[in-house]
Amino acid sequence: SAVISQKPSRDICQRGTSLTIQCQVDSQVTMMFWYRQQPGQSLTLIATANQGSEATYESGFVIDKFPISRPNLTFSTLTVSNMSPEDSSIYLCSVERTSGAGELFFGEGSRLTVL
Amino acid sequence: KQEVTQIPAALSVPEGENLVLNCSFTDSAIYNLQWFRQDPGKGLTSLLLIQSSQREQTSGRLNASLDKSSGRSTLYIAASQPGDSATYLCAVIGNQFYFGTGTSLTVIP
Repeated sequence: SAVISQKPSRDICQRGTSLTIQCQVDSQVTMMFWYRQQPGQSLTLIATANQGSEATYESGFVIDKFPISRPNLTFSTLTVSNMSPEDSSIYLCSVERTSGAGELFFGEGSRLTVL
Repeated sequence: KQEVTQIPAALSVPEGENLVLNCSFTDSAIYNLQWFRQDPGKGLTSLLLIQSSQREQTSGRLNASLDKSSGRSTLYIAASQPGDSATYLCAVIGNQFYFGTGTSLTVIP
């Protein structure tokens, strides 16, 4: 397995502000992903964080709203920009430790509440 | 597009009971299937991974089966305990990962 540390674990934010979530992995991984889980729902993939290049966003998610950095193979950040109450969710960092192995590991999640 | 369904959405059982959680998927062209546990407000903990060539995997009191042809997987929990109370999600791995909506399990002491 992989040890994935996410912070903050939770935060309460004001409408219109931005928050950056950090994800640190204990070993180098090729594939890192960011998911969103809205209240009572399943996981939705926001983007794949690519090391050294722009993230690959899923339909419905854009870089201006969810900028992602991945400076190396163990670290990534997700920023939720210009937040509204609809952005209140759990944001999850995930890794596929061996590319193509088809097994995901998750961080503890960051629970954001936007007032 | 792959659709993953988990029934029931919620389940409540007395402690000590054996139980089965269900996961159905529409496209049988999958690589793997993974079961997770999620505690309230937390991330996902991997429980079992079943590769497409396998029919089942076991870990302690957990046993997961996979029937690709029928598009079904089950997670069997033996001798349930209050600490098993959580939401259980399955994820089907094809060209990407597809998650079910989960089954919320409550084990009553």
